Amino acid sequence: DTEVTQTPKHLVMGMTNKKSLKCEQHMGHRAMYWYKQKAKKPPELMFVYSYEKLSINESVPSRFSPECPNSSLLNLHLHALQPEDSALYLCASSQDRAGSNQPQHFGDGTRLSIL
Amino acid sequence: AQSVTQPDIHITVSEGASLELRCNYSYGATPYLFWYVQSPGQGLQLLLKYFSGDTLVQGIKGFEAEFKRSQSSFNLRKPSVHWSDAAEYFCAVGAGTASKLTFGTGTRLQVTL
Repeated sequence: DTEVTQTPKHLVMGMTNKKSLKCEQHMGHRAMYWYKQKAKKPPELMFVYSYEKLSINESVPSRFSPECPNSSLLNLHLHALQPEDSALYLCASSQDRAGSNQPQHFGDGTRLSIL
Repeated sequence: AQSVTQPDIHITVSEGASLELRCNYSYGATPYLFWYVQSPGQGLQLLLKYFSGDTLVQGIKGFEAEFKRSQSSFNLRKPSVHWSDAAEYFCAVGAGTASKLTFGTGTRLQVTL
């Protein structure tokens, strides 16, 4: 059982739709991450939040908009996505971002398909 | 910048046989090293990690890994593979003060009965 919960598990949307992905953790972690993973590839970092503040944006297109309402929740708002955005979106959390020695705990992801 | 190489894209082993998955890293100082496993349709699960100290680290599910600084390697081993170990395995390195993990390209493990 994963301690990082992502909803929904699957999402199909058109290119003009607006939708949101949700991630929740109750481990008291203060760093949260969004990754994108294409088939047969490793995860690619998109965003890092540390203490509810955006600390890293890996030059992600503005059609992806992250939000961290509190220390347990992380959202990814989607708008006007392209077919190439179809992928598995993974959320992760770690105790804090004070160094890369913090193991990241991953959710099971949201499988996103853009029509 | 750090990098990770997993030379084997796909490995097939028989159930009960031993397993070694290779991982080589590139980083100027002592890296933080991780092995993750991903089953189909699921997220990544942390198998084990190395930060410092004993170079042989034990993880979950009977896995272990050995850090060899002279070879810049962090190979994953298991003495006897089970069919349920079939999955994708990722080696990753974290370095510096950023919260970035650099992943290898992964090794797909197939287990034959």
